[in-house]
Amino acid sequence: DQQVKQNSPSLSVQEGRISILNCDYTNSMFDYFLWYKKYPAEGPTFLISISSIKDKNEDGRFTVFLNKSAKHLSLHIVPSQPGDSAVYFCASTQGGSEKLVFGKGTKLTVNP
Amino acid sequence: GAVVSQHPSRVICKSGTSVKIECRSLDFQATTMFWYRQFPKQSLMLMATSNEGSKATYEQGVEKDKFLINHASLTLSTLTVTSAHPEDSSFYICSARVPGRNTEAFFGQGTRLTVV
Repeated sequence: DQQVKQNSPSLSVQEGRISILNCDYTNSMFDYFLWYKKYPAEGPTFLISISSIKDKNEDGRFTVFLNKSAKHLSLHIVPSQPGDSAVYFCASTQGGSEKLVFGKGTKLTVNP
Repeated sequence: GAVVSQHPSRVICKSGTSVKIECRSLDFQATTMFWYRQFPKQSLMLMATSNEGSKATYEQGVEKDKFLINHASLTLSTLTVTSAHPEDSSFYICSARVPGRNTEAFFGQGTRLTVV
């Protein structure tokens, strides 16, 4: 049973526009959520996180929104840049557990 | 941010041999490290949790005798793929979280293992 789901395997946007990556989770005990970016043949790089006590966290061009009632979070990138092209993973954890549960990832392509 | 270093980044070995991959936390102490495997076009699959000074905890379906994990110090965990076969070829990644609640995990650069 997949507890973290990224239903869109890929997304293509034009440079300068907004990229919206979505993630759903099933475990209501999750209380901390993270987004990672991954280039081929490299380890994931941490982007941004959000605690369940918040519904929005912003860092530069990246904003994460959390809707607890819908068990849904999204990552907004605006404006999108070609260098943002990568696979984006969302991850969740609960109760201070060190173990992260990852989604399958969404491959974002930003076209010049 | 914190740094996790993984070595080697790429290794090719013959079937039947063993390969050791190292994961180091460079600027923090990690009592727990995690080993993942990534198949093409798939998510990161957690293989095991490496615990400093004690036995690793393996996820269901992961052979502990095949993938030996040693976490001998607070900054080093090793994964040894024993008697490697071509089906073990994959991208292996380690991670560690900075101690404390609600902290991010930092990942190593990954190791591309090819068994020929």
